[in-house]
Amino acid sequence: QKEVEQDPGPLSVPEGAIVSLNCTYSNSAFQYFMWYRQYSRKGPELLMYTYSSGNKEDGRFTAQVDKSSKYISLFIRDSQPSDSATYLCAVNRGLYSGGYNKLIFGAGTRLAVHP
Amino acid sequence: DSGVTQTPKHLITATGQRVTLRCSPRSGDLSVYWYQQSLDQGLQFLIQYYNGEERAKGNILERFSAQQFPDLHSELNLSSLELGDSALYFCASGQGAGETQYFGPGTRLLVL
Repeated sequence: QKEVEQDPGPLSVPEGAIVSLNCTYSNSAFQYFMWYRQYSRKGPELLMYTYSSGNKEDGRFTAQVDKSSKYISLFIRDSQPSDSATYLCAVNRGLYSGGYNKLIFGAGTRLAVHP
Repeated sequence: DSGVTQTPKHLITATGQRVTLRCSPRSGDLSVYWYQQSLDQGLQFLIQYYNGEERAKGNILERFSAQQFPDLHSELNLSSLELGDSALYFCASGQGAGETQYFGPGTRLLVL
């Protein structure tokens, strides 16, 4: 079983739609949860970062973490064609795990927003 | 722009050869992480350095090695290259606390 599961899509939505992207993880030791956006042939760009459970909002983006169900989500409101990219969730144990700070990534969901 | 720089952007080489990829972290970041991204494996953690010392190893092959220099830039050395080593190699940097890492633009390696 992979430590982080993410549906690779592709997901195609019309402009203006609300997009929901999701990941599940297996290890309750993970404390930090991130979403990265990756355009084709570019480096991943950090979108959202959340510590522990809860919601975090930044403009049109909302990240949710439910540690009880080991489920993380990213919502994109009023989606735009420029949001078309691959979205990767990532988890991390954090500093107090013996300094082992690797990010574990989901497979990435490819999103296409069409006009 | 994340502030992390990587050179070269593209690299084409032959099987059996050795290459060196270079990364400069964001100003103030002490940690450098190397990742490999291939179509079938996704983003895989290779190795982490913190202030010049190796901190953690992931799925890094014995043919691969890395180091971080006193000025905090890092190099990833790939030797005895095989076709399967063709991939995007990313460097990321962070404060070392692990919660956020910022990625560079990557080096695209093609082994022929």
